[in-house]
Amino acid sequence: DAGVIQSPRHEVTEMGQEVTLRCKPISGHNSLFWYRQTMMRGLELLIYFNNNVPIDDSGMPEDRFSAKMPNASFSTLKIQPSEPRDSAVYFCASSPWTSGSETQYFGPGTRLLVL
Amino acid sequence: KQEVTQIPAALSVPEGENLVLNCSFTDSAIYNLQWFRQDPGKGLTSLLLIQSSQREQTSGRLNASLDKSSGRSTLYIAASQPGDSATYLCAVVDGTGKLIFGQGTTLQVKP
Repeated sequence: DAGVIQSPRHEVTEMGQEVTLRCKPISGHNSLFWYRQTMMRGLELLIYFNNNVPIDDSGMPEDRFSAKMPNASFSTLKIQPSEPRDSAVYFCASSPWTSGSETQYFGPGTRLLVL
Repeated sequence: KQEVTQIPAALSVPEGENLVLNCSFTDSAIYNLQWFRQDPGKGLTSLLLIQSSQREQTSGRLNASLDKSSGRSTLYIAASQPGDSATYLCAVVDGTGKLIFGQGTTLQVKP
């Protein structure tokens, strides 16, 4: 199994530009999570999906952030317009969730720098 | 609101030493508690998962304990090695199924 796949691994963009991060979960996993990691705030859950449906997006910081999961094998996190304070590492994780007691498998992350 | 705290924030030990990392959480209503390892520039790797009904889990040189009533967990690493150098993150799954992370303990094991 290839594990959770994220692309791009690194992204440098200018303030105001649109950024799209992509994630392919592990095949057969029905839950997908987007996290953001910064030095100041640590790891924070942004949004999670169960069976392609967004369950909790309370962690999404602003309307500039949006996430979609059009099918079981693909999800995107979009920031439009991007700002320097969005610079962080964004992780995607997936889980074979049945009861909430399963572990999550993390991708390698996307390092985003907004200039 | 669930809060997870890890102490110490950083730890440096000589190779071969046994060590304990601490994690505390404010709300005992958890599904489980997990310990993760994060290497610099990498994602997270799950080390141990303790269900809320369990007291401890072991994997090789790692042993994690859970005391739900007091809101505490410890990760014990036996006979530490330089390859154990990494950041260790504690996380609890709350009643809504979300993982809430601590800030992590950065461990350095010196040869």
